[in-house]
Amino acid sequence: QSALTQPASVSGSPGQSITISCTGTSSDVGGYNYVSWYQQHPGKAPKLMIYEVSNRPSGVSNRFSGSKSGNTASLTISGLQAEDEADYYCSSYRSSSTLYVFGTGTKVTVL
Amino acid sequence: EVQLVESGGGLVQSGGSLRLSCAASGFTFSNYWMSWVRQSPGKGLEWVANINLDGSEEYYVDSVKGRFTFSRDNAKNSLYLQMNSLRAEDSAVYYCARITCGGGTCWDYWGQGTLVTVSS
Repeated sequence: QSALTQPASVSGSPGQSITISCTGTSSDVGGYNYVSWYQQHPGKAPKLMIYEVSNRPSGVSNRFSGSKSGNTASLTISGLQAEDEADYYCSSYRSSSTLYVFGTGTKVTVL
Repeated sequence: EVQLVESGGGLVQSGGSLRLSCAASGFTFSNYWMSWVRQSPGKGLEWVANINLDGSEEYYVDSVKGRFTFSRDNAKNSLYLQMNSLRAEDSAVYYCARITCGGGTCWDYWGQGTLVTVSS
């Protein structure tokens, strides 16, 4: 199955805002409000950061926000902090035998 | 505290079998659909399988259909993934994860993962 497309890397200085894009098709990102975002530090399990496009689970900083336009979803991290340096993956429900598809992953570097 | 603990990973030859387990605690296990998600070394995430509340429905990614079997034992708060006819491309860290969100479309808790290495 084809993965959702994310930039390989995004970087920013502390305090800045960055945005990670996640591009799919009308069969996944564009067709449903079921996009979620995960943060993964090296050697650790993924952590849910955003669900259903723009909702934050309890305990996740409000510096993380999500949105969607057409077939592209976005994760914005504002007030970038050193602890935000990690890999980020988007995920979407897909109307096919493969129920879920993940993005290719984006490495966020805090300069 | 919600905890998911995987076990059973290891090194196996191509064509061999392995059974993964996932022990759940800290929540009412029988109230949640569950998943296996895998991550090849240095690569991205891939959904593998889902199971419904009582284990009567399973869903698989096409690449493992007919080879993997997902089951659960609600009395033991445990999940199992029986993996047969293993291939090199099945090598990955396997995570069990709890499904949540609208439409069952995200995972709010993940285990630490168990590494499966298939040698050719």
